[in-house]
Parts: sequence; C-alpha cells; structure tokens
Amino acid sequence: QKEVEQNSGPLSVPEGAIASLNCTYSDRGSQSFFWYRQYSGKSPELIMSIYSNGDKEDGRFTAQLNKASQYVSLLIRDSQPSDSATYLCAAFQGAQKLVFGQGTRLTINP
Amino acid sequence: NAGVTQTPKFQVLKTGQSMTLQCAQDMNHNSMYWYRQDPGMGLRLIYYSASEGTTDKGEVPNGYNVSRLNKREFSLRLESAAPSQTSVYFCASSDRQGPSYEQYFGPGTRLTVT
Repeated sequence: QKEVEQNSGPLSVPEGAIASLNCTYSDRGSQSFFWYRQYSGKSPELIMSIYSNGDKEDGRFTAQLNKASQYVSLLIRDSQPSDSATYLCAAFQGAQKLVFGQGTRLTINP
Repeated sequence: NAGVTQTPKFQVLKTGQSMTLQCAQDMNHNSMYWYRQDPGMGLRLIYYSASEGTTDKGEVPNGYNVSRLNKREFSLRLESAAPSQTSVYFCASSDRQGPSYEQYFGPGTRLTVT
C-alpha cells in the first residue's frame, strides 16, 4: 500500500465551482502535509502547507487536515481555467523527507 | 534569487553512456534532494542530502550516485544509463519551516535513454 494515496482523476469541475481534492496517508507519525500544483511539463510548485488539525485558508485555497482519519484535502473556491493542473499531496516523514501521492489531475471547464 | 536551477534541461543518451545532472540552489538551504517522475508513479526520491557532507539513499537509488559538492550544489550521476532511467529528474532544496521542511523544486531535466 502506497503511503500517500490520491485519486488520479481526472477530476472535472465547471468554472466558478469548488474543486475538492482528497488525500489519505498511512503513517500516523506524519505531522506535516503539503499541496503542490504541477502544470504539464513544469515542476511542482508549493501552494499550501498544513501542520495542525482543522482548516487553513490562503486566498481561494483551503487545506483541511484530520489526523484522526488520516485525511488531507484541498478546496479551491471559484475555480478558474488556470487552476487546471495536477495536484500532488505530500506528507513529511521525518529524516527531512517527503512522501508524495501520485497526484490528481484537475480540469476546470469554462 | 534564481531559486533552484538544473542543467541540462534535456538530454538524450545511448544505453551504457554516463552523464551528470547538475543542481544548484541560492536559498542557503541545508537539505537537497533528487527525484524522478514517471507517468503514473508520482515523484520518487532517489537520493537526498540532509546537510553538506552527508548523502543518503531514497526509495530508488540503484543505478545512481550523488555528490554534495558544497552547500549550494548537489549532482546526480548515471554511470551506465539504461532505458529504464528514461524519466524527468527534479532537484529540490529545503530548510526547516516551523515543524517541517518545505521543499522547492528546480525546473527539471528530461532524460531519454535509447
């Protein structure tokens, strides 16, 4: 079982709607989590980090963490075509290493 | 600041050839990483260097060697390239941010081994 799991998608969302991306992890010792956005042919770009249970908001993005359920999510409000990308979830594993999920491909339809 | 830079951007090798991928960062980060990304496999850690003078194996180290030349530079060497090493290679660097380490990525090297 992969340590960080994501639905590979594709996930299609109409423009202006809320996109919801989900991630589960298996290592209960993981304390910190990250969301990266990766456009086709480009490198991953860090967009959110979350360390505590609950919600963290940054502009149109909200990260949610539930350590009891081992679940991390990313909400994108007012989705725009420019949000179309692959979103990677990562968990900090200690020894300064991140473990990445396979990524969810998101398409925003105008 | 350029952030993390990688050279070359593209490379084609024949089976058995060797090459070195270069990575440099100007953020004064202690830790540096090499990943490969293949379709459907996500990012997989090849090697990392927690600090200058140290290197450790990641998830897929076979066929690769690394050198942490100084705090800024971390190189990845393929001694005898194989078609299975066709991939996109990303270098990243990080330093402690609160309780964790946020990693920042370079633009990548697309390698094809024929």
